[in-house]
Amino acid sequence: EAGVAQSPRYKIIEKRQSVAFWCNPISGHATLYWYQQILGQGPKLLIQFQNNGVVDDSQLPKDRFSAERLKGVDSTLKIQPAKLEDSAVYLCASSLEASGTEAFFGQGTRLTVV
Amino acid sequence: DAKTTQPPSMDCAEGRAANLPCNHSTISGNEYVYWYRQIHSQGPQYIIHGLKNNETNEMASLIITEDRKSSTLILPHATLRDTAVYYCIGQTGANNLFFGTGTRLTVIP
Repeated sequence: EAGVAQSPRYKIIEKRQSVAFWCNPISGHATLYWYQQILGQGPKLLIQFQNNGVVDDSQLPKDRFSAERLKGVDSTLKIQPAKLEDSAVYLCASSLEASGTEAFFGQGTRLTVV
Repeated sequence: DAKTTQPPSMDCAEGRAANLPCNHSTISGNEYVYWYRQIHSQGPQYIIHGLKNNETNEMASLIITEDRKSSTLILPHATLRDTAVYYCIGQTGANNLFFGTGTRLTVIP
């Protein structure tokens, strides 16, 4: 079974530029998560989708971050404009259901803002 | 979601059992306890989860106390590849997986 695919693996941008990350979840998984992991910390949820609807985006900085999940499959996370403190690994995960089933994580995208 | 408390770090000798504790005193009756681990530079990996009963799979065992206020993850024969950060998480319904700071387990040769 193919895992969660993310691209790119690495990205370096200057502050105030924009960037987008892409995630392809495991086929058939209804729930999709985006997490931000700053060095030395645990992953922090940014947004959770159930199919193509948003379940939780309470920790998404909506003035600069946006995410969408078209047709309930692939998802993109965008940052515009980026700040230095956005430097982190952005992890995508998917699960069959929202609760009671395991979540599978991708390798993540390491973003460096300079 | 229940807040969980874990020791920041632990060491374990290779070949020995690693017992990782987690306190989740505010857990509600329908909240699952999940364990994930994260090896350096990789995404978190699911290990095991449970609700009330103890659980065992090919990776580990999960012991949940009768009052469900704490649990222990047991790696029966730790290897060097088990060195990682281990996260204990409480989750309900459609709520998210809330990761704390976890326990950094170091398996020593």
